[in-house]
Amino acid sequence: DAMVIQNPRYQVTQFGKPVTLSCSQTLNHNVMYWYQQKSSQAPKLLFHYYDKDFNNEADTPDNFQSRRPNTSFCFLDIRSPGLGDAAMYLCATSRTLAGADTQYFGPGTRLTVL
Amino acid sequence: GQNIDQPTEMTATEGAIVQINCTYQTSGFNGLFWYQQHAGEAPTFLSYNVLDGLEEKGRFSSFLSRSKGYSYLLLKELQMKDSASYLCAVMDSNYQLIWGAGTKLIIKP
Repeated sequence: DAMVIQNPRYQVTQFGKPVTLSCSQTLNHNVMYWYQQKSSQAPKLLFHYYDKDFNNEADTPDNFQSRRPNTSFCFLDIRSPGLGDAAMYLCATSRTLAGADTQYFGPGTRLTVL
Repeated sequence: GQNIDQPTEMTATEGAIVQINCTYQTSGFNGLFWYQQHAGEAPTFLSYNVLDGLEEKGRFSSFLSRSKGYSYLLLKELQMKDSASYLCAVMDSNYQLIWGAGTKLIIKP
């Protein structure tokens, strides 16, 4: 019954080695989000897609890219991971951007950078 | 700037009641969310308030006062499984969620 699925749950990469995290959803929601969350901190929005319309947060580093090939899937590409990019990466979806539309989160991918 | 304030940590006893407060200053307001997050897991939705007043959902209730920029989450009949972080988030005028850092709730037997 999983609605927002993230793979892998745990990812280890080496400093500077590109890595891709994936997210899929069975809710048919229009909006998909990627957040970065470090320990004991609030989730930080990196970007979101409304359908195919990509919206990048102003302070998201260029090192982070995203692709949404279809409604169900969204990918987070980290081109050259640094030690500071070690975090939990959360994918979320919502039906629209409206206030009453709850964001549903996947289980997250914990990224370790060696 | 936009800001969400909530206590860093709270401790309560199993079976008791606890109130977690959240104050906010945001550019516009399109609703306030409470999420529960267990350690190492994703946030799960608890409640949404957009009008002033109390919303009750089982053991959990959430209150909003827009004029005061204030909300609280009330947890009754605390259980050990309620040990988690509780995140307050406000949707601003751009429909962006502004998140608090979360309140870590520790339940003791």
